[in-house]
Amino acid sequence: EAQVTQNPRYLITVTGKKLTVTCSQNMNHEYMSWYRQDPGLGLRQIYYSMNVEVTDKGDVPEGYKVSRKEKRNFPLILESPSPNQTSLYFCASSLSRTGTQETQYFGPGTRLLVL
Amino acid sequence: AQSVTQPDIHITVSEGASLELRCNYSYGATPYLFWYVQSPGQGLQLLLKYFSGDTLVQGIKGFEAEFKRSQSSFNLRKPSVHWSDAAEYFCAVGRYNFNKFYFGSGTKLNVKP
Repeated sequence: EAQVTQNPRYLITVTGKKLTVTCSQNMNHEYMSWYRQDPGLGLRQIYYSMNVEVTDKGDVPEGYKVSRKEKRNFPLILESPSPNQTSLYFCASSLSRTGTQETQYFGPGTRLLVL
Repeated sequence: AQSVTQPDIHITVSEGASLELRCNYSYGATPYLFWYVQSPGQGLQLLLKYFSGDTLVQGIKGFEAEFKRSQSSFNLRKPSVHWSDAAEYFCAVGRYNFNKFYFGSGTKLNVKP
């Protein structure tokens, strides 16, 4: 089944404790992206990647890191999480590197609480 | 800067009534326009998209949207709402040769029996 998977789905952590949220897609998509969803703000793009080893900042990249070492995986790293990073996170992918022209397929989301 | 505005935070309609959800964007050239739906506890699913051509586009689940360049709008419509349409709806914008993506703040739809 074609899908985008994220792990974990739920995570409670404490301020400053490094964490990684994994994202994987099995559709051979070029473009991958991370979003955070906050009430009243919709989804905001954190980082995106057009291909392996090609990543760039979205609108809210502060406090986050990403890497794209393999085409299928696009982990989101919070080196030192803070309470303002408490949010619902979505990973998405689309077929070609010009991802904003195409349908994005979303993962199920990761709900993060930083205490 | 890019922006996508969904002026209605919550909308309640009766089952069987018609629906229109508003979306306005700011961008000089023709954008790539999308409507996504998010059911409670779920990820986002594409309803429809517009890139070029006919300004009235049909999507899944009986939804349609109309692109109006003069009003910078891309409103979503459905002639008869079903209880299963209760969800949050997001308008989104992409741009040619620009790889960022922008979402509106969403409209929550409640359907009364």
